[in-house]
Amino acid sequence: AQSVSQHNHHVILSEAASLELGCNYSYGGTVNLFWYVQYPGQHLQLLLKYFSGDPLVKGIKGFEAEFIKSKFSFNLRKPSVQWSDTAEYFCAVNLLSGGYNKLIFGAGTRLAVHP
Amino acid sequence: SAVISQKPSRDICQRGTSLTIQCQVDSQVTMMFWYRQQPGQSLTLIATANQGSEATYESGFVIDKFPISRPNLTFSTLTVSNMSPEDSSIYLCSVDPTYTFGSGTRLTVV
Repeated sequence: AQSVSQHNHHVILSEAASLELGCNYSYGGTVNLFWYVQYPGQHLQLLLKYFSGDPLVKGIKGFEAEFIKSKFSFNLRKPSVQWSDTAEYFCAVNLLSGGYNKLIFGAGTRLAVHP
Repeated sequence: SAVISQKPSRDICQRGTSLTIQCQVDSQVTMMFWYRQQPGQSLTLIATANQGSEATYESGFVIDKFPISRPNLTFSTLTVSNMSPEDSSIYLCSVDPTYTFGSGTRLTVV
């Protein structure tokens, strides 16, 4: 069965530290890839997405992600986090096959940034 | 990207009753998706709704419990039927091809 794995469930960082959140998926076909953020008490927001082209994708708020097809990975990065980045981050994979279209989410990673 | 509005934003309901959640998009879209986010959990796809055809439900979700309507290309409803406290969740809709989400409906069943 198709799945999305986020290996880090909780991450704690100090401000200005670098961030990398892992995301791997298990599906051999065509995919679109997404990262979403959910700030405390707020609704889900799209951070960035990859459909095709340059595998290094830049999103909002200084985030970027790199699609490595051979590793089935789409890791999220930010060179220097801020306290305001404290949130839950979800990786999602859109499986596409012959009209089949389904967005599957990982379990999420809770990021806490301390000042 | 598409702007998605959901109503109601929250509700507290008695067990055994039903609640219909509305999802309105500001542009025509082919597919609309309904998700559930249980407390402290990730999002789980309930069903996919195409205009003019029956919704496609994911494993563990059935039409009798979560009937869906899709009368046109900008609107869909999800009904949570015969509710129990286990149905307390946030229900969200999303659309193809932007995959943005509405602000969600926070449902509490007492």
